[in-house]
Amino acid sequence: AQTVTQSQPEMSVQEAETVTLSCTYDTSESDYYLFWYKQPPSRQMILVIRQEAYKQQNATENRFSVNFQKAAKSFSLKISDSQLGDAAMYFCAYRSGETSGSRLTFGEGTQLTVNP
Amino acid sequence: EPEVTQTPSHQVTQMGQEVILRCVPISNHLYFYWYRQILGQKVEFLVSFYNNEISEKSEIFDDQFSVERPDGSNFTLKIRSTKLEDSAMYFCASITPGAGRPPYNEQFFGPGTRLTVL
Repeated sequence: AQTVTQSQPEMSVQEAETVTLSCTYDTSESDYYLFWYKQPPSRQMILVIRQEAYKQQNATENRFSVNFQKAAKSFSLKISDSQLGDAAMYFCAYRSGETSGSRLTFGEGTQLTVNP
Repeated sequence: EPEVTQTPSHQVTQMGQEVILRCVPISNHLYFYWYRQILGQKVEFLVSFYNNEISEKSEIFDDQFSVERPDGSNFTLKIRSTKLEDSAMYFCASITPGAGRPPYNEQFFGPGTRLTVL
């Protein structure tokens, strides 16, 4: 079974600074997808960024980028120019690409605080 | 932009009562999911549903739980006899057809139903 681990329960960053959230995963599959979801206090799950395992190039979405290290099974999220609205719980998630409609497996989450 | 909707947003019930949580997935989606998040914990998979049957379920999804797509648009989660530990946020999600290669690999989440069991 796949597992996802986020070892940082809490992180904080100064507004306009850069922060990196860590995520590691364990799988024996070669075809999979990785995601970062943001959960603000409303508890809505918002997709931030995704990475396909077969792509070597790291995904980027505006101020959000990932560092995908497939051999190390590491998938960190970098937030540049942090804004107050980035404050939220961030979840790393894994999805198999070998089975249609497979589940998402989430990590424990990292609570990000952005200080003005 | 199409979205997944869930009703009610908050449900309060007494222990032992039956509850039905409702979801309307995005109309052309084929796979449907329920996830649960106990306050302060991670999001956990409960069940997936495809072609009018359960395709996968977790160990959490025991005989107290059932899912149904009664009318081709709604997707429901029923808890037969609620326990205190069922108190959680319940998320519905759906995915586009041909779930696999991009761009068909994103699960769209509803806003959640907060279930409180007293």
